Amino acid sequence: DGGITQSPKYLFRKEGQNVTLSCEQNLNHDAMYWYRQDPGQGLRLIYYSQIVNDFQKGDIAEGYSVSREKKESFPLTVTSAQKNPTAFYLCASSLGWGTDTQYFGPGTRLTVL
Amino acid sequence: AQKITQTQPGMFVQEKEAVTLDCTYDTSDPSYGLFWYKQPSSGEMIFLIYQGSYDQQNATEGRYSLNFQKARKSANLVISASQLGDSAMYFCAMREGSSNTGKLIFGQGTTLQVKP
Repeated sequence: DGGITQSPKYLFRKEGQNVTLSCEQNLNHDAMYWYRQDPGQGLRLIYYSQIVNDFQKGDIAEGYSVSREKKESFPLTVTSAQKNPTAFYLCASSLGWGTDTQYFGPGTRLTVL
Repeated sequence: AQKITQTQPGMFVQEKEAVTLDCTYDTSDPSYGLFWYKQPSSGEMIFLIYQGSYDQQNATEGRYSLNFQKARKSANLVISASQLGDSAMYFCAMREGSSNTGKLIFGQGTTLQVKP
């Protein structure tokens, strides 16, 4: 089955720790995205990647980092510099650019203890 | 500035009835796409339907249809024959063709509850 997987589903982080959220897709999509969702809110863009080995900051990139070494994978690291990381994180991908539909993974819920 | 507005924080509908979820948008880009997503309590964002700015006809996907009124900048989602499984949060989103980030701009969402 083609789709987007994210792991883990739930993640707990202590203050000062870096954590990495996994996102993998087997849809052969070129573009991938990371969004953050806070309770009762829509999604905000953290980082995006149009193609392998290239990525750009979105609207709220501070305290986050990404890599895109493989077409299928776009991991997100939440660093200790992110002051309020407790949120729901969603990864998405699209075949190309422009107005192509973005498809989402099941999400990772991150809680800072 | 680009913006999506969903004015209904919560809606109720009786099972088997139709319901309309409102969405208005604002953009100066002539090329854009409008999307509706469903987010059940599990959290996954499920794509429902897409309407392109140059599409002449309203989009339909099964029980979902999009009432696209370009001059009024509205893109309302119509769900026919509501089912209990339709209870979820619904988001309207827009993506501009000229965007250099490709990001989706989301509204605040509407919570739909289907009553038996």
